[in-house]
Amino acid sequence: DQQVKQNSPSLSVQEGRISILNCDYTNSMFDYFLWYKKYPAEGPTFLISISSIKDKNEDGRFTVFLNKSAKHLSLHIVPSQPGDSAVYFCAASARFGNEKLTFGTGTRLTIIP
Amino acid sequence: ETGVTQTPRHLVMGMTNKKSLKCEQHLGHNAMYWYKQSAKKPLELMFVYSLEERVENNSVPSRFSPECPNSSHLFLHLHTLQPEDSALYLCASSQDIAGLSEAFFGQGTRLTVV
Repeated sequence: DQQVKQNSPSLSVQEGRISILNCDYTNSMFDYFLWYKKYPAEGPTFLISISSIKDKNEDGRFTVFLNKSAKHLSLHIVPSQPGDSAVYFCAASARFGNEKLTFGTGTRLTIIP
Repeated sequence: ETGVTQTPRHLVMGMTNKKSLKCEQHLGHNAMYWYKQSAKKPLELMFVYSLEERVENNSVPSRFSPECPNSSHLFLHLHTLQPEDSALYLCASSQDIAGLSEAFFGQGTRLTVV
């Protein structure tokens, strides 16, 4: 059973607009969430994270929102740029017990010039 | 050289072959991981090593055999694989497994079993 779900396998957004990538999780023990970005032929690279004590974390054009009651997080990219075209993986881990990162299936984001 | 380096980048092997994937990290991290990425599936954690000791084996078939000779190197030995084992194999490292540090990934080895 998938504990981290990214229900949209792909998303296309016009350059300059906002990209919103969504992620849902089922394990209430998760308390640390990360987004990774992956270009073709490269390994995933860490993008941004958020601890469960926060509901928002911002880093430049990237903002992650966490809704613990809904077990939902989202990544906002604004403004979207062509270089943002990649696969985005959501990941989660638990502070106590199982520490390993659990990944979603990824969402392929395409920015249309 | 910094970061996590994996070799080879691409590998084609027959079902009766024996091959090894290599991973090297120059980040001073204490934890290393093997992940498998298949199409339309989440990244699957295969093995976790902490301070050169295997701490987790996620029900991986014995045809995959990891080896961690030191904290900078991690190998994945492959033998008698099946075509369904074709996937992207990613190595990662992190400062430790107890903290909340993000993992750094290598570029992966694209494995094709014929």
